[in-house]
Amino acid sequence: EVQLVESGGVVVQPGGSLRLSCAASGFTFDDYTMHWVRQAPGKGLEWVSLISWDGGSTYYADSVKGRFTISRDNSKNSLYLQMNSLRTEDTALYYCAKDRFIAAAGVGGIDYWGQGTLVTVSS
Amino acid sequence: DIQMTQSPSSLSASVGDRVTITCQASQDISNYLNWYQQKPGKAPKLLIYDASNLETGVPSRFSGSGSGTDFTFTISSLQPEDIATYYCQQYDNLPALTFGGGTKVEIK
Repeated sequence: EVQLVESGGVVVQPGGSLRLSCAASGFTFDDYTMHWVRQAPGKGLEWVSLISWDGGSTYYADSVKGRFTISRDNSKNSLYLQMNSLRTEDTALYYCAKDRFIAAAGVGGIDYWGQGTLVTVSS
Repeated sequence: DIQMTQSPSSLSASVGDRVTITCQASQDISNYLNWYQQKPGKAPKLLIYDASNLETGVPSRFSGSGSGTDFTFTISSLQPEDIATYYCQQYDNLPALTFGGGTKVEIK
């Protein structure tokens, strides 16, 4: 059974930094692209970032480019999101998510999601 | 970036009704479209992939169709457990995987 468990969400002041983690199990982690997706309170889903199976390729939404960094440690089956220069509009539930496609097949969207970790940016 | 326009933003229907949601892409995305269901307080769940393929274990009352820029998601007979918000997502145009704005489905 695929399991994705996020952690690290807290209340942080504007301008602050935070690192989210995601522990993956139930599948061969280093075979898959991984994503972060966020959802502001009462709002829709917003894709944030993705990282290829080997960490060699990363992509970001324009809204976080230059402030957030996605990374992974395949030896620990873990995904991370380093968040710097946080803004109030970054307040959201952050989901870790697994891509549908195995590595060589490209990106196919998301088939499994964690339960999310809440990041609140407030003074 | 590709924009995904989903409509309606909300709807109210009776149990047993046929429910239809549309998603329009700002450019051709072939069939690179998924549909998700999100129940209140829960993570999203994949229902339909590649525009029309039913994910394993998903009830057959859910279906999807379309290609290019226009897509449709249908619940053939609405059930009380289908109360949720539904989202489309395109994955044709990297780096952004764009979601539609969502459709909240309620029981009348």
